[in-house]
Amino acid sequence: GAVVSQHPSRVICKSGTSVKIECRSLDFQATTMFWYRQFPKQSLMLMATSNEGSKATYEQGVEKDKFLINHASLTLSTLTVTSAHPEDSSFYICSARYFGTGRDNEQFFGPGTRLTVL
Amino acid sequence: AQTVTQSQPEMSVQEAETVTLSCTYDTSESDYYLFWYKQPPSRQMILVIRQEAYKQQNATENRFSVNFQKAAKSFSLKISDSQLGDAAMYFCASMNRDDKIIFGKGTRLHILP
Repeated sequence: GAVVSQHPSRVICKSGTSVKIECRSLDFQATTMFWYRQFPKQSLMLMATSNEGSKATYEQGVEKDKFLINHASLTLSTLTVTSAHPEDSSFYICSARYFGTGRDNEQFFGPGTRLTVL
Repeated sequence: AQTVTQSQPEMSVQEAETVTLSCTYDTSESDYYLFWYKQPPSRQMILVIRQEAYKQQNATENRFSVNFQKAAKSFSLKISDSQLGDAAMYFCASMNRDDKIIFGKGTRLHILP
């Protein structure tokens, strides 16, 4: 159990277009999801916290108008990269915090989405 | 603010031997969690081991164990009987009560056959 999926796994888009990435918790509910960005050979950097039914909170230096987050249900959060540029090319990873008892704040990570902006 | 420091960018170990990966952290909170994650070439993050700060006993998971030194803010990972499948990037991480996980820069572990 405790599987998190991301769609698409990889996407290539043209500069100036918008791209939506989905993060789903498949077999559990998640009131909170997190979005990370990982550049090649670097660590994961937390971008924002996505809360079901409320606005996302962004880490310092992350443009909220650039990276739109919507957490519409207890199993789905979406990250939209608006007006993408080549410098937005990266690996985006989400994690979902288990909602309920018995899991002790455990978070589960999706497999990631590789975004390439031409 | 939380910080996590991994000072070993790369390490190598002979198959079947033991290796220790170092990690130090800093946090102003008294209630927090510490983790080691493995990221293989697939880039899927895999939880290796977790430690609750309030627990004095070091966590163990089969061949993986930690040395948690709370006063020194040190959290090292020991891998015993290293296997080829252990080759990966290993990230040390901390999480405060806000559930935000902060990662170190990682240590790439090579297993020598």
